[in-house]
Amino acid sequence: KNQVEQSPQSLIILEGKNCTLQCNYTVSPFSNLRWYKQDTGRGPVSLTIMTFSENTKSNGRYTATLDADTKQSSLHITASQLSDSASYICVVSAYGGSNYKLTFGKGTLLTVNP
Amino acid sequence: NAGVTQTPKFQVLKTGQSMTLQCAQDMNHEYMSWYRQDPGMGLRLIHYSVGAGITDQGEVPNGYNVSRSTTEDFPLRLLSAAPSQTSVYFCASRSGTGGPNSPLHFGNGTRLTVT
Repeated sequence: KNQVEQSPQSLIILEGKNCTLQCNYTVSPFSNLRWYKQDTGRGPVSLTIMTFSENTKSNGRYTATLDADTKQSSLHITASQLSDSASYICVVSAYGGSNYKLTFGKGTLLTVNP
Repeated sequence: NAGVTQTPKFQVLKTGQSMTLQCAQDMNHEYMSWYRQDPGMGLRLIHYSVGAGITDQGEVPNGYNVSRSTTEDFPLRLLSAAPSQTSVYFCASRSGTGGPNSPLHFGNGTRLTVT
């Protein structure tokens, strides 16, 4: 069964500090991994996508990594801001025949305090 | 562009009532889908459509119906609401041309409470 596990479940940090969120998956055959940011009361918004051949990708203060061998990804947030407070969801895409199936993690709730 | 628009934002139903959650997108996306989000669980796929006139079931389809008569609209119908359907519902669309590497574009959700 395809699974995506995220850790920690929740995290509280002070503004300006860095943090790293983890995503472990058992999804096959692997197609890609995407991180979404979900603000309270809003729908998720894509931050970045990682394909099989990519190890690291940055989007501003967000840096995602992927280790396809260990089936792990991380999202590192640098110099956090209050607006980074949100839930971060890891989503892994698997290819099955003619369809692509998405498996969603439960998310990590990040709170950035002043 | 407005993106994906969902209405209503909030809804309270009594058990047994029916209703339709509306979803419209203005990005000419072929793929549209409905998810529910419950506390402590990942988003779960209810139904999806790869184009007008084509719909298929997702992971948790029971108690819900969909239709896709136009590219823009993808309504979700609750036939006879049950308390287990209390949830936040998200509509999402994706460009068909980008395949699996295209991101989902989500609406801002409908929070449904069934009493």
